[in-house]
Amino acid sequence: KQEVTQIPAALSVPEGENLVLNCSFTDSAIYNLQWFRQDPGKGLTSLLLIQSSQREQTSGRLNASLDKSSGRSTLYIAASQPGDSATYLCAVRPGSDMRFGAGTRLTVKP
Amino acid sequence: DARVTQTPRDKVTEMGQEVTMRCQPILGHNTVFWYRQTMMQGLELLAYFRNRAPLDDSGMPKDRFSAEMPDATLATLKIQPSEPRDSAVYFCASGLDGVEQFFGPGTRLTVL
Repeated sequence: KQEVTQIPAALSVPEGENLVLNCSFTDSAIYNLQWFRQDPGKGLTSLLLIQSSQREQTSGRLNASLDKSSGRSTLYIAASQPGDSATYLCAVRPGSDMRFGAGTRLTVKP
Repeated sequence: DARVTQTPRDKVTEMGQEVTMRCQPILGHNTVFWYRQTMMQGLELLAYFRNRAPLDDSGMPKDRFSAEMPDATLATLKIQPSEPRDSAVYFCASGLDGVEQFFGPGTRLTVL
């Protein structure tokens, strides 16, 4: 059964810092991996989708990488801002369903 | 601005009552997912539809939960009878061929 782990569970950084969030999964047979952002009391917002044949995707200050062979993905956030404060979840598609990690709660302090 | 909509946004009910949650997927999307989110379990997939046909509902307690898509613009999740342990936020998501998923705002259910 596919297990998705996110480390750290919580992270607090000062504004302007570059940071990396980690996601690991146990089974490399995936169709894609998706990073989401969730604000308190809100739904999930899709940030980046990486297909299994891709190594990375970029959107603005965000860059996500995928290493299927090692079962890892990272989300890099450049020049963090207080507005980036949220919970970040990664999810993998091993088949028709999607498996989520527990998330990393990020706080960016002004 | 295409979005997934869910109603109601909040629902408080008493144990034993029937609860129906509704979802309107993004127009043109052919896959619909229902998830439940709790602090303890995180996000769990309950059911998954493609072209209105249920493909996977293994995550759903069959004795009390049911999910349907009466038409392409409406998905429903019903709980009967509801129990306190069903208290959670229920999310609906839609996508095209299940590639990328777009989430609705969720229904916060509280069963007293």
